[in-house]
Amino acid sequence: QPVLTQSSSASASLGSSVKLTCTLSSAQSTYIIAWHQLQPGKAPRYLMKVEGSGSYTKGSGVPDRFSGSSSGADRYLIISNLQSEDEADYYCETWDSNTHKMFGGGTKLTVL
Amino acid sequence: QLQLQASGPGLVRPSETLSLTCAVSGGSISIGSFHWGWIRQPPGKGLEWIGNVFYRGSTYYNSSLKSRITISVDTSKNQFSLELGSVTAADTAVYYCARFFGLGPFDLWGQGTLVTVSS
Repeated sequence: QPVLTQSSSASASLGSSVKLTCTLSSAQSTYIIAWHQLQPGKAPRYLMKVEGSGSYTKGSGVPDRFSGSSSGADRYLIISNLQSEDEADYYCETWDSNTHKMFGGGTKLTVL
Repeated sequence: QLQLQASGPGLVRPSETLSLTCAVSGGSISIGSFHWGWIRQPPGKGLEWIGNVFYRGSTYYNSSLKSRITISVDTSKNQFSLELGSVTAADTAVYYCARFFGLGPFDLWGQGTLVTVSS
């Protein structure tokens, strides 16, 4: 079963960029992952899926400021021109061929 | 526009069964290759996948919860359900329902519902 590792917290200044990392276990380094945004009182929001090739596909309505990339077993969520509303918890998700799902531990993003 | 809404008792007694329903509106639960899933988040902790159901009834469960879970779908009511038996305080969490297509990510989530296990 795949394991996803995320840093517990990150911070960046308003208007700057931040890169969040989700690391797959070595045996699953080619897996596709997805990024989700969780904010208090709101339904979680699917942001995008990121493939091992680095290509990414965003969900409906996700701002252009959000992008994805990949390097080896690492999958990234990049947020440019940070806004206050981007302050949230970000989780990565992956799945196996039997649709068994796994989530990373989540990263709490603070916008300074 | 498809929407999901989880509902159920906010308080469940220890050792009893937690029962939640996710109502699907704005579209049919029986469409194509969509699967429907449950995820939970205990207070102060991360997301935990519980299990999935396909509209034809096939299910996939988290192995750590498998002995206590039943997920089912009711196409006539356009909803799917979660039953978690023998609950303890460790099952206190916000429970979310969500959708995914084929072998893909959860791409639509419902608003979570808080379930507290307490006597």
